[in-house]
Amino acid sequence: NAGVTQTPKFQVLKTGQSMTLQCAQDMNHEYMSWYRQDPGMGLRLIHYSVGAGITDQGEVPNGYNVSRSTTEDFPLRLLSAAPSQTSVYFCASSYLRISNTEAFFGQGTRLTVV
Amino acid sequence: DAKTTQPPSMDCAEGRAANLPCNHSTISGNEYVYWYRQIHSQGPQYIIHGLKNNETNEMASLIITEDRKSSTLILPHATLRDTAVYYCIVPSTDKLIFGTGTRLQVFP
Repeated sequence: NAGVTQTPKFQVLKTGQSMTLQCAQDMNHEYMSWYRQDPGMGLRLIHYSVGAGITDQGEVPNGYNVSRSTTEDFPLRLLSAAPSQTSVYFCASSYLRISNTEAFFGQGTRLTVV
Repeated sequence: DAKTTQPPSMDCAEGRAANLPCNHSTISGNEYVYWYRQIHSQGPQYIIHGLKNNETNEMASLIITEDRKSSTLILPHATLRDTAVYYCIVPSTDKLIFGTGTRLQVFP
């Protein structure tokens, strides 16, 4: 198993550009989520999904879109990047609801918006 | 959602036990306590979780008080590689909410 795979690892965007951060897991996990981590801060939940076709907002959803068409993939879309979205983004997955089982995290995507 | 409180930082000598406390006084009867850690800027890593009883695995032990209002994560023989930020979390149904955690520094 590869676990949770995030691509790309690094990205520089210009203000106003759009992009999609990819997250894939090969563990047949139902639950997937996206976090962002700003310097010196803890992780903040952006969006999450409890299964294919089901998504919901987390703590800081503004400026981000998600969809879940398959169990394996949970892409995060930035429609119009802003400097405030400069951060490290982590994707996580778990077999069951995240309150009942351990979560597995990817290694992160480091995004800089200039 | 139950809120957790942790000290911002702790030090521990290599080879000694590291005891990391966490307060979660508003925890509900069916909510678990989870511990994760984050080494440098890597993705967080699951350590252990528990409901009522003390738990132990190959990484750590978790001691939960009888009233469940606090817990302690124990790394029995800390190594330099255990230097990390440790997060104590009481998840709500579908959300894992991170605080700022405890920065553990293990020194030689």
